[in-house]
Amino acid sequence: DQQVKQNSPSLSVQEGRISILNCDYTNSMFDYFLWYKKYPAEGPTFLISISSIKDKNEDGRFTVFLNKSAKHLSLHIVPSQPGDSAVYFCAASEGNTPLVFGKGTRLSVIA
Amino acid sequence: DTGVSQDPRHKITKRGQNVTFRCDPISEHNRLYWYRQTLGQGPEFLTYFQNEAQLEKSRLLSDRFSAERPKGSFSTLEIQRTEQGDSAMYLCASSLDPVMNTEAFFGQGTRLTVV
Repeated sequence: DQQVKQNSPSLSVQEGRISILNCDYTNSMFDYFLWYKKYPAEGPTFLISISSIKDKNEDGRFTVFLNKSAKHLSLHIVPSQPGDSAVYFCAASEGNTPLVFGKGTRLSVIA
Repeated sequence: DTGVSQDPRHKITKRGQNVTFRCDPISEHNRLYWYRQTLGQGPEFLTYFQNEAQLEKSRLLSDRFSAERPKGSFSTLEIQRTEQGDSAMYLCASSLDPVMNTEAFFGQGTRLTVV
């Protein structure tokens, strides 16, 4: 039973355009959501997070939006850069329990 | 460098052998997690510690797997009688003891190949 779902295995975007990565979850008790970025042969790197009391959090080129009623969050990257090419994982937790991850979306930013 | 450190980075072993991995968390972090990642999947939770206490084990963690965190510092993950299905990236992460939610920081992982 996949509690965190990333339904797009891959996404291709041109350099300079917006990248939008989506994530859905089924557990309504999740109250903390994160995005991680992963390069090959490395561990995931924390990117940005959002608490369930907010609907938006911004950090430079990265913005995360949370729609609790739809159990959906998205990561916007603008403008996209070739160095953003990586696998992006959505993760969620309930209280202070361990993170539950989605399967990831591979982003390719084309120059 | 004060990040999460894992050793070894790569391990190739024959089926049936035992292997042990080590994780050194960020020094002030009380929580330590072990995850496993296979191709095409996200990290899957195995177990976690708060200080030296092991608080939860996933049903993914069979009896052949054991983890320890003596003195609440580094941790080891041992796999006994390895099987080909154990081939994966084993990831360690640490976080501050969360009064409120905080992010977990990951090490670079140990890639295990069972032949």
